Amino acid sequence: DAKTTQPTSMDCAEGRAANLPCNHSTISGNEYVYWYRQIHSQGPQYIIHGLKNNETNEMASLIITEDRKSSTLILPHATLRDTAVYYCIVRHKAAGNKLTFGGGTRVLVKP
Amino acid sequence: GAGVSQSPRYKVAKRGQDVALRCDPISGHVSLFWYQQALGQGPEFLTYFQNEAQLDKSGLPSDRFFAERPEGSVSTLKIQRTQQEDSAVYLCASSSALAGTDTQYFGPGTRLTVL
Repeated sequence: DAKTTQPTSMDCAEGRAANLPCNHSTISGNEYVYWYRQIHSQGPQYIIHGLKNNETNEMASLIITEDRKSSTLILPHATLRDTAVYYCIVRHKAAGNKLTFGGGTRVLVKP
Repeated sequence: GAGVSQSPRYKVAKRGQDVALRCDPISGHVSLFWYQQALGQGPEFLTYFQNEAQLDKSGLPSDRFFAERPEGSVSTLKIQRTQQEDSAVYLCASSSALAGTDTQYFGPGTRLTVL
């Protein structure tokens, strides 16, 4: 699976949009971009995934560049409860495929 | 419905003891994964089951680690003769494996501390 690069940490203000970048320049044509987050002392939580079109759900939006070499996770109105480590993962979409986590981005939402 | 559950949530073992960690996946989920998460690191894959078949155990760090899922639902991760380097959070995840719906859902993890 392709490797991803994310900033180590970032702060954002409560109520503002949080934009989390991810680079995956070696992504192949049939690999998806997945985002998970992990709040302290909890298991990872699925957020969203996409192939090449932008995706939106109740938690976030995923914007994937046209060349698919990078993407941005957008939390539209960050709350204190969004403080977590956010992981960007690239993988083939198949039932048995493991998730390969990198270091993630530690996001701190400040009041 | 109920999510993935794991027990115990916390386990303290003396070096050399055997431990067993349990995972109850989401009902009906065919796929089950175990991950190990060291302090300050991202989770790392250990092993994968499809129903009762263990299809990938490439991530198990040594032959002291053993996992089973005999009836294709509950799974147990066993660690024999625990060492201090085994201290970590052990995460279980399950997915339905239906076409187009392979999202993995994680349990809260078991924090193992080996003294």
